Amino acid sequence: QKEVEQDPGPLSVPEGAIVSLNCTYSNSAFQYFMWYRQYSRKGPELLMYTYSSGNKEDGRFTAQVDKSSKYISLFIRDSQPSDSATYLCAMSFSGTYKYIFGTGTRLKVLA
Amino acid sequence: DTGVSQNPRHKITKRGQNVTFRCDPISEHNRLYWYRQTLGQGPEFLTYFQNEAQLEKSRLLSDRFSAERPKGSFSTLEIQRTEQGDSAMYLCASSLGRGQGRVNTEAFFGQGTRLTVV
Repeated sequence: QKEVEQDPGPLSVPEGAIVSLNCTYSNSAFQYFMWYRQYSRKGPELLMYTYSSGNKEDGRFTAQVDKSSKYISLFIRDSQPSDSATYLCAMSFSGTYKYIFGTGTRLKVLA
Repeated sequence: DTGVSQNPRHKITKRGQNVTFRCDPISEHNRLYWYRQTLGQGPEFLTYFQNEAQLEKSRLLSDRFSAERPKGSFSTLEIQRTEQGDSAMYLCASSLGRGQGRVNTEAFFGQGTRLTVV
């Protein structure tokens, strides 16, 4: 079993839809949770960074962490075709600096 | 330049040749990371530096791989005697580290170097 599980998709939604992307993890020691967006043949771009449990909102993006369920989510409101990309979740332990990534979910927003 | 810079962006090499990649981190960041990403997978950690010290290496980093960060500025990743299995995107990231007010901080990635071994 991988430490971080993520559905690879692809996930196709119509423009304007609310998108829900999720990751589950097995190690309860993870403290830091990140979401990256990666366009084809580009490097990952940091979208959200959260510590421990709770919600964080930034524009159209909301990140949720539920440590009791070992489950994190990224919501995208009013999705746009430009949001079409692969979304990677990443996690790390307190006191270490390497990230453990999920495999990424491919999202397609249809105009 | 406000981002992480990687060169070259693409490299095609013959099996058995040596290759070297360069990473220039965000200027005030003292931590630098190398990751490898293959098609359909998330990035996998290879190694990281705090200033010029290499503090952790993954089991993925075989003896053919060596990374350096002289003077704690740019970093190089060298692969000797390349194999077809080395074909991947090599990503560099940087972050602020302990001693600058935070323990864990966000890592920002470069655009990567795509290596193809033929």
